[in-house]
Amino acid sequence: QVQLQESGPGLVKPSETLSLTCTVSGGSISSYYWSWIRQSPGKGLEWIGYIYYSGGTNYNPSLKSRVTISVDTSKNQFSLRLSSVTAADTAVYYCARMGIGSGWYDGLDYWGQGTLVTVSS
Amino acid sequence: EIVLTQSPGTLSLSPGERATLSCRASQSISSTYLAWYQQKPGQAPRLLIYGASSRATGIPDRFSGSGSGTDFTLTISRLEPEDFAVYYCQQYGSSPRVTFGQGTRLEIK
Repeated sequence: QVQLQESGPGLVKPSETLSLTCTVSGGSISSYYWSWIRQSPGKGLEWIGYIYYSGGTNYNPSLKSRVTISVDTSKNQFSLRLSSVTAADTAVYYCARMGIGSGWYDGLDYWGQGTLVTVSS
Repeated sequence: EIVLTQSPGTLSLSPGERATLSCRASQSISSTYLAWYQQKPGQAPRLLIYGASSRATGIPDRFSGSGSGTDFTLTISRLEPEDFAVYYCQQYGSSPRVTFGQGTRLEIK
């Protein structure tokens, strides 16, 4: 059974960089796309971006200038960096696996439990 | 950007009743790339339906999806107490690659 677990600081100061890591267990990080999604308190879901195991990325244009997603296949991990954070970046951050290929899409089928990141001084 | 609009915002029903949730896209999308998720308080979303109508692993058959083009529907044939939650539709496609609807809250009447 594939499991995902987010880790990283729960509190980040304004203007600093938010850094989170997602560790994948029970399966290989290879051959899938891996996404970051966030949810502000009481709000809906916002996709941040994804990375393919080989390193290709795609980001939400609304966050693209501040986002970097990277992968470490040797550790079965992928990571999120979001720079110049403000209070508006306070949210629960989820990592998820996305199954997609040419002409098929299996959805975001495995999710981490989520981690709350608060931006405050 | 493709915008997904879900309706109603809140749906109040009783256990045993049938629920019909709507997701409308601002432009036509392939049903291949339309998914539905359920989210309960304090939990991560759970994949219910992908490809507009295929149930994910372990999802009861009271959940079904349908639709094409710009109009998609999630139907819960007979509500169980554990089905009361927030439901999101989601599409994969043009930039941004992934977008979600704003959600429908299904509450107990």
